[in-house]
This record gives sequence, C-alpha cells and structure tokens, in this order.
Amino acid sequence: GEDVEQSLFLSVREGDSSVINCTYTDSSSTYLYWYKQEPGAGLQLLTYIFSNMDMKQDQRLTVLLNKKDKHLSLRIADTQTGDSAIYFCAFTDKLIFGTGTRLQVFP
Amino acid sequence: DTGVSQDPRHKITKRGQNVTFRCDPISEHNRLYWYRQTLGQGPEFLTYFQNEAQLEKSRLLSDRFSAERPKGSFSTLEIQRTEQGDSAMYLCASSPNTGVSPLHFGNGTRLTVT
Repeated sequence: GEDVEQSLFLSVREGDSSVINCTYTDSSSTYLYWYKQEPGAGLQLLTYIFSNMDMKQDQRLTVLLNKKDKHLSLRIADTQTGDSAIYFCAFTDKLIFGTGTRLQVFP
Repeated sequence: DTGVSQDPRHKITKRGQNVTFRCDPISEHNRLYWYRQTLGQGPEFLTYFQNEAQLEKSRLLSDRFSAERPKGSFSTLEIQRTEQGDSAMYLCASSPNTGVSPLHFGNGTRLTVT
C-alpha cells in the first residue's frame, strides 16, 4: 500500500520561511493536498496541487511537486505564530494522510 | 457556512459499553468519510459513503464497528463492546465528489474508554 512520510517536527523563527516535506511511494493520485490541524480541531484544507503541475503558489503558500523523486513540499513564507499547527500531506484519491509535521513558530 | 458537524465533541465510556457518534455533512456533499486519529498520527481511513451506499471499509474497521447513512444525509458510527484501544479522535469529513473534491472535516469526537 501507499507509504507517506513526513518529518515529525519543524521549529522556525517568526518571519522566516518554513518548508514542510512529504515523501510517498504511490504516484497515482490525481490531486495532492495539504491540510492544517490546530489543537483539538479537525483538519482544514490549506491548498492542493494537480498531479500534472510542478508548482502552485497561493498567497504565502507554495507547493512544489517532484514526481520523479515522489516528493511534495509546502513552503510558508513569512511564517507567523498563528501558523503553529500540525501539517498533513494527503492523497485523497487513495484516502491516505501523512504522519504529520508539527510546526512551532517562535518569536 | 454550516460546515461538517459532529456530536458529541467528547465521550467518556467504560470498557464494554456501546457508543454512537453522529456526523452531519455539508448539505450538498454526497460523499461522507469516517477517520480515526490517535495522538501523534495522521488520520486513518475507516469507511466512506456515497449517498447512502457504503462503498469502502478499511480492515481497521472490525466487526465491533458499524457505520450507517440511511438517507444519504447524516451518518452514525457505532462501536460495540468498546476497548481501551478504541480511545481516539473520530473524524468525519464530506466532499462533493466533483472536480477537486477536497475533504471538509468536522472537529471530531474524542472518545476515551476507561
């Protein structure tokens, strides 16, 4: 089955850029998504990329897709304390989520 | 925007008891999903419905778990004879099954089995 890996933690200073990475084994999903989860809450869709694209920019968010290396990343520019949360990559064609990366933003 | 609604938010039960959770999806969404999430993990797929038809079930969904969506609107997830290992956040999501079709999640029901 699909194996989706994310690093567990990322700590950045407010104002810096954050890059959250996701690697996967199965490349057949049509859309690849990024979700954000704040404590005690459900998951909130942040952005997505179609599988035939390499990059998508959405305000402070940039998604990069490297299909050859099966690597998906989310870059958050000018990271704010309100960005502190857990971030999940997801392949909902396959109904699979990554393990999640906890982003901590410090002043 | 009413969003996906789950009830209750929290449930504490004793081992061996039955529990039932409810999910009300976004009204125009015909797909409804149940996931389970334990601490430090991503959501694990349990089952999903398209309208009233249950189209897929995970092997995680033991025979103690049953889900229904009788009229293609709200759904219930019942766990019989609860075990301590059932303690988790149970998340419901819905999607329109058109175009991008991202999942829209509720805030979950946190189950604690003592």
